Amino acid sequence: AQSVTQLDSHVSVSEGTPVLLRCNYSSSYSPSLFWYVQHPNKGLQLLLKYTSAATLVKGINGFEAEFKKSETSFHLTKPSAHMSDAAEYFCVVSDWTGNQFYFGTGTSLTVIP
Amino acid sequence: DTGVSQNPRHKITKRGQNVTFRCDPISEHNRLYWYRQTLGQGPEFLTYFQNEAQLEKSRLLSDRFSAERPKGSFSTLEIQRTEQGDSAMYLCASSPGGEEYEQYFGPGTRLTVT
Repeated sequence: AQSVTQLDSHVSVSEGTPVLLRCNYSSSYSPSLFWYVQHPNKGLQLLLKYTSAATLVKGINGFEAEFKKSETSFHLTKPSAHMSDAAEYFCVVSDWTGNQFYFGTGTSLTVIP
Repeated sequence: DTGVSQNPRHKITKRGQNVTFRCDPISEHNRLYWYRQTLGQGPEFLTYFQNEAQLEKSRLLSDRFSAERPKGSFSTLEIQRTEQGDSAMYLCASSPGGEEYEQYFGPGTRLTVT
């Protein structure tokens, strides 16, 4: 069975400071992992994905995530937060078939000017 | 724009009525997914199609819910005898298939059952 746990429901950072959104996964198989962002009243947008290639994955808008099998983690980071990063972020796991995807409960990111 | 589209965007219905939502995936994407998202929660998987075949159904999908994808193109999700607990955002996503698992989401249909 697959699942993800997003360790923080809310994260608040100052503009220009680093962002860290934490995600731990559970998977019976070699997982595929994703981060999605959801801005208010907008659709879910893919930030980045891990599918068993490089463990450090770079995504859009300066975000990146590192797959750590030993820690079963896939934390999302960004060196410098921008006001436009304020949104809801979801960590997602899929098994190797891609037939089902399991979303975390989300982390709401607030960026303080 | 050739993204995933969903119609209607909003639906208000009375308890006990039937509703049907439509999803048009990105052209040539053979995988199509339906999710339900309630306030403050992540999307919950409902069902999955590969082309016209419905291959996975969540236990969340009660007998009142049915989904189809005729000819492997657009899909419909019908809820019969709606209940207030069905109020949610219903999301559709498509993906290319093969080893490309990333999903592209539509804007969703917000259902309110009064």
